[in-house]
Amino acid sequence: NAGVTQTPKFRILKIGQSMTLQCAQDMNHNYMYWYRQDPGMGLKLIYYSVGAGITDKGEVPNGYNVSRSTTEDFPLRLELAAPSQTSVYFCATGTRNYNEQFFGPGTRLTVL
Amino acid sequence: RKEVEQDPGPFNVPEGATVAFNCTYSNSASQSFFWYRQDCRKEPKLLMSVYSSGNEDGRFTAQLNRASQYISLLIRDSKLSDSATYLCVVNGDDSWGKLQFGAGTQVVVTP
Repeated sequence: NAGVTQTPKFRILKIGQSMTLQCAQDMNHNYMYWYRQDPGMGLKLIYYSVGAGITDKGEVPNGYNVSRSTTEDFPLRLELAAPSQTSVYFCATGTRNYNEQFFGPGTRLTVL
Repeated sequence: RKEVEQDPGPFNVPEGATVAFNCTYSNSASQSFFWYRQDCRKEPKLLMSVYSSGNEDGRFTAQLNRASQYISLLIRDSKLSDSATYLCVVNGDDSWGKLQFGAGTQVVVTP
């Protein structure tokens, strides 16, 4: 089992460009999350999903969009990238039975 | 005020020594508490959950003080491999699964 996978691992974007960060899981978890982690800061929740077809905003959703068409995939879309979106992005999954979350390896994004 | 606050450290610890650090949380209604470990440039991973009565997992001991709203982690007989950032995590939101992460406490174990 791969667990939670994320692609790409690294990406450099120019201001105004768009991209999609991919997240896939084979753990059959209903709950999926997108976080960003800035240096010296705790992880901030961007969006989350409690199941296919259901998504909701987290703490810092501006500038991002998500979709959840399947249990396995939860892509994060950045439109009109800005330098403030330079960060490390983590996707995570969890279940209703316990609060542990399982994280993917992260995507390091730089916007110049 | 941050939801979860931690001393960023670093805590420089000789191998074999004991180190302890706390984190404070602001939401008195929080019900679930965790310590995650994050290695440099890696993803966070659950180290242990924190229970009201306190709990141990090998060399690691976690305590919860609800009255003062803090959580502690103690590491005994520190190993070089314990060098990492330890994230204090609290589930304080009404919606299940929305965790609040502290910025982390860095521990550096030296030979």
